[in-house]
Amino acid sequence: QKEVEQDPGPLSVPEGAIVSLNCTYSNSAFQYFMWYRQYSRKGPELLMYTYSSGNKEDGRFTAQVDKSSKYISLFIRDSQPSDSATYLCAISDNQFYFGTGTSLTVIP
Amino acid sequence: GAGVSQTPSNKVTEKGKYVELRCDPISGHTALYWYRQSLGQGPEFLIYFQGTGAADDSGLPNDRFFAVRPEGSVSTLKIQRTERGDSAVYLCASSQTGAGDTQYFGPGTRLTVL
Repeated sequence: QKEVEQDPGPLSVPEGAIVSLNCTYSNSAFQYFMWYRQYSRKGPELLMYTYSSGNKEDGRFTAQVDKSSKYISLFIRDSQPSDSATYLCAISDNQFYFGTGTSLTVIP
Repeated sequence: GAGVSQTPSNKVTEKGKYVELRCDPISGHTALYWYRQSLGQGPEFLIYFQGTGAADDSGLPNDRFFAVRPEGSVSTLKIQRTERGDSAVYLCASSQTGAGDTQYFGPGTRLTVL
């Protein structure tokens, strides 16, 4: 079983839509949860970083961690064409484990 | 403000050759990570340095892969006797202290083994 599972998509939404991206993980001991955005032929860029359970909001982005369900989510409000990218979830103890990434296209 | 840099950005080599990939982390970051990313996949952990020493090399796929960080800053990933299956993007990341700390990624080196 992989440490973290993520639906690869692709996901296509109209501009202005709310986007929901999700991952599940296997080990309840993980404490650090991250979302990265990766544009084509670029390195991943950190979007959100959460320690333990709860919600974190930054502008149009909200990250949620539900440790009881071992489920993490990223919500993007008022999505923009510039949000089109691959979104990677990551979890960490001493190592970092990444999901496969979800490819998102926001259509103008 | 300098981020993580990696050179070369692209490397094409022939099967059986030796390659070196370089990572220059953010100044002052003690932790450095190497990952490999294949098409349509997330980054796969290879090795983690804390200072000059490899704190965790459990992700290196076999003994053809080796990495060094002799002065605790720049790191080199070395691949001997390259195989076509080694073709991927090799990403480097650094963080200020290590476990649980935010990682900052470089742009990657795209390795193609013909």
